[in-house]
Formats: sequence, C-alpha cells, structure tokens
Amino acid sequence: NAGVMQNPRHLVRRRGQEARLRCSPMKGHSHVYWYRQLPEEGLKFMVYLQKENIIDESGMPKERFSAEFPKEGPSILRIQQVVRGDSAAYFCASSPSGRFGEQYFGPGTRLTVT
Amino acid sequence: GIQVEQSPPDLILQEGANSTLRCNFSDSVNNLQWFHQNPWGQLINLFYIPSGTKQNGRLSATTVATERYSLLYISSSQTTDSGVYFCAVEPGGNNRLAFGKGNQVVVIP
Repeated sequence: NAGVMQNPRHLVRRRGQEARLRCSPMKGHSHVYWYRQLPEEGLKFMVYLQKENIIDESGMPKERFSAEFPKEGPSILRIQQVVRGDSAAYFCASSPSGRFGEQYFGPGTRLTVT
Repeated sequence: GIQVEQSPPDLILQEGANSTLRCNFSDSVNNLQWFHQNPWGQLINLFYIPSGTKQNGRLSATTVATERYSLLYISSSQTTDSGVYFCAVEPGGNNRLAFGKGNQVVVIP
C-alpha cells in the first residue's frame, strides 16, 4: 500500500509566481491535512479537507493561499504571488477517519522562493 | 490553544546509549503521535499512542493521559536514530495536530 505521495519534492519559484503543491492520500483515506514547517516556527496546521469540502482552514493565511480536494485527483495547495516568506517545507497528511484518527505524512514539498 | 513542550531540546548520545524524551501537554487530548524527522526532512510515523504503552523494536512509548505527558524511549541508540523527534497532539474534537518544537538527537559513533 503506497504511502502519501507529494509532488513536486522540490519547487523553486520567483517572487510573484504561483506555486501548486499536490498531495495524493493513502488508498482508502478521505481526510487530508496540510501543514507548513517554517525554519524557526516548527510545524503548523494549515487546512483540513475531505473530498470536495474544506472542513477547517483556520491555519491558512487569509490571502494568496487556497486548497482543494476534488472528487477526482489529488489535493492541491495553491499559493499565489509567492513571497520569500513562503519558503518552507509543506507537508500533507492523510487519515482514514477524521476525528482522533492517526495521520500519515507524505515526504513534503520544499518550496524555495528566490 | 494547547501547549506542547518537549524536553530536552537537544541531546547528544554515544552509540549504544539509552535515552528518554518527554512531551508535556497542557490540555486533554484524544490523539498523540510521535514522529521522527530524518536528516532528509521526511516525517516518519513512530507511534500513535493516545494512552498506554507500545513498543516497536528498540523504541517504545508511554502516554499517561491523565497526567498529560508522554515519553519516548530509545534503547541501544544507533547513528540512524539521529534527527528530530516530534510529539504531536490532537485536542478534543478539532481534527488538527499541534506539534511540539522537537527533540534534536545526535548519535555519535
């Protein structure tokens, strides 16, 4: 059973460009979470999604960031007009059940904004 | 929000030594997980342990939920155990993990 897949693993963007990060959950998992690891801030929750629904986006910056988990295909985290402060590792996790379920993490996407 | 404190923040071990990492949390939780972030940055699931004790090879973990702490034991450490160990908790009902700042472990041969 393949684990959580994320791509790309490394992404370089210039300031002002858009970044799209993809996450395919483990087979049979319908709950997806995105976390961000900033160099001096540790791992922080961003958003929790189920198929076609955003359940909790309380950790998402109010502007430039959006997430989706369509009926078909991977979950996408989209960052518009990237700035240097967006440089971080972005992790996706999935779980088979929502509340209290074990979360399994992907390898992460390392975004560098130049 | 919930506070998650890990100690010690940094630890240097001689290969073969044993160690204990501690995670304290400020409120009741329904999920607690331990992770190892290896030098390549990948987060590896170690334990899902909201309560009780589990063992996996040279690693074991104990969570005492009523006293709001968890311990991760590393026995006979190896250089491949180097990295950062994170404790993460899910407070009741909010579906998101809150992470501690981690324990940076370096195992020297």
